[in-house]
Amino acid sequence: DGGITQSPKYLFRKEGQNVTLSCEQNLNHDAMYWYRQDPGQGLRLIYYSQIVNDFQKGDIAEGYSVSREKKESFPLTVTSAQKNPTAFYLCASSTGLAVQETQYFGPGTRLLVL
Amino acid sequence: AQSVTQPDIHITVSEGASLELRCNYSYGATPYLFWYVQSPGQGLQLLLKYFSGDTLVQGIKGFEAEFKRSQSSFNLRKPSVHWSDAAEYFCAVAHLYNQGGKLIFGQGTELSVKP
Repeated sequence: DGGITQSPKYLFRKEGQNVTLSCEQNLNHDAMYWYRQDPGQGLRLIYYSQIVNDFQKGDIAEGYSVSREKKESFPLTVTSAQKNPTAFYLCASSTGLAVQETQYFGPGTRLLVL
Repeated sequence: AQSVTQPDIHITVSEGASLELRCNYSYGATPYLFWYVQSPGQGLQLLLKYFSGDTLVQGIKGFEAEFKRSQSSFNLRKPSVHWSDAAEYFCAVAHLYNQGGKLIFGQGTELSVKP
């Protein structure tokens, strides 16, 4: 079945630690996205990528980094510079960046700080 | 700046009753409008979208939404709610000049369904 997988489902971070969230898609989509969701708020865009080896900052990129070495993979690293990382992180993908393209979402990773 | 407002944080309806979830947006030109649903601890699923043409759009799971330009609204409706519809619903807007086709989401409306 085609879809987006995110791992792990839950992730715990210690102070000063970098952690990486995985996102893999087998939909053959060019565009991929990372969103952060906080309680009572909508989703906010962290980073997005249109093609391999290219990515752009979204609205809240500070404290995060990404890579896009393969079309199907778009991992997100939450660095120690992100002071409030506790949130639900959602990865999405679409055929392209055009507004008409539907974004398909993964099941999410919940990040908690110890 | 563009924004999306969902005035109702939480709504409770009885099973079998009708449902309307409100969404208002602020943007000068005609936006691209979306409704997504999120079950607890899950990702988002697209219910329906509006780009142009007929202002009443049909989606999956028996949902529909109506675009009203004069009211800057895109309300989601369902004639008869099922218990499985309990979830959080997000309205989102995009337009041609958004960076990377970025979606701007509302805060979400949590729907509870009473037996």
